[in-house]
Amino acid sequence: QKEVEQDPGPLSVPEGAIVSLNCTYSNSAFQYFMWYRQYSRKGPELLMYTYSSGNKEDGRFTAQVDKSSKYISLFIRDSQPSDSATYLCAMSAPSSNTGKLIFGQGTTLQVKP
Amino acid sequence: DGGITQSPKYLFRKEGQNVTLSCEQNLNHDAMYWYRQDPGQGLRLIYYSQIVNDFQKGDIAEGYSVSREKKESFPLTVTSAQKNPTAFYLCASSQGRDGDSPLHFGNGTRLTVT
Repeated sequence: QKEVEQDPGPLSVPEGAIVSLNCTYSNSAFQYFMWYRQYSRKGPELLMYTYSSGNKEDGRFTAQVDKSSKYISLFIRDSQPSDSATYLCAMSAPSSNTGKLIFGQGTTLQVKP
Repeated sequence: DGGITQSPKYLFRKEGQNVTLSCEQNLNHDAMYWYRQDPGQGLRLIYYSQIVNDFQKGDIAEGYSVSREKKESFPLTVTSAQKNPTAFYLCASSQGRDGDSPLHFGNGTRLTVT
């Protein structure tokens, strides 16, 4: 079993829809949770960064962490065609002295005009 | 603008040849990383370095080598021993060395070996 599981999709939604992207994990030591967005043939860019449980909002994006369920989510409101990309979740533990992030497989999102 | 520069963007090599991928950062970050990305497999860590003149193997280091002679530079050599070298290679850096620092990525080098 992988440490981080993420449905690869693809996920196709109409413009304006609310998108929910999710990851589950098995290591209860994970405390730092990130979402990266990756456009085709580009490197991933950091979208959201949260510590421990709770919600964080940034514009149309909301990151949610449920440590009791070992489940994290990224919500995109009023989705736009420019949101079409692959979304990667990543996480790490404070005990990690290597800075190593564990990545999900990535979910490919397509927002249709 | 600060960032990570990977070059070249596309690289083609014949089987049996070693090839070196360049990665330079001007973010003044201590730690640097090399990842490999294959379709359906996510990102896999090849090597990482937390300080100049020191580096550690990641999860899939076989067939690769690195050096860290300068803080700004972390080149990756794909050797002929790497059995399946065709992939998208991503270099990243982080300010801290612990798990709380997010990674900043370059735009990758796509290597094709035939």
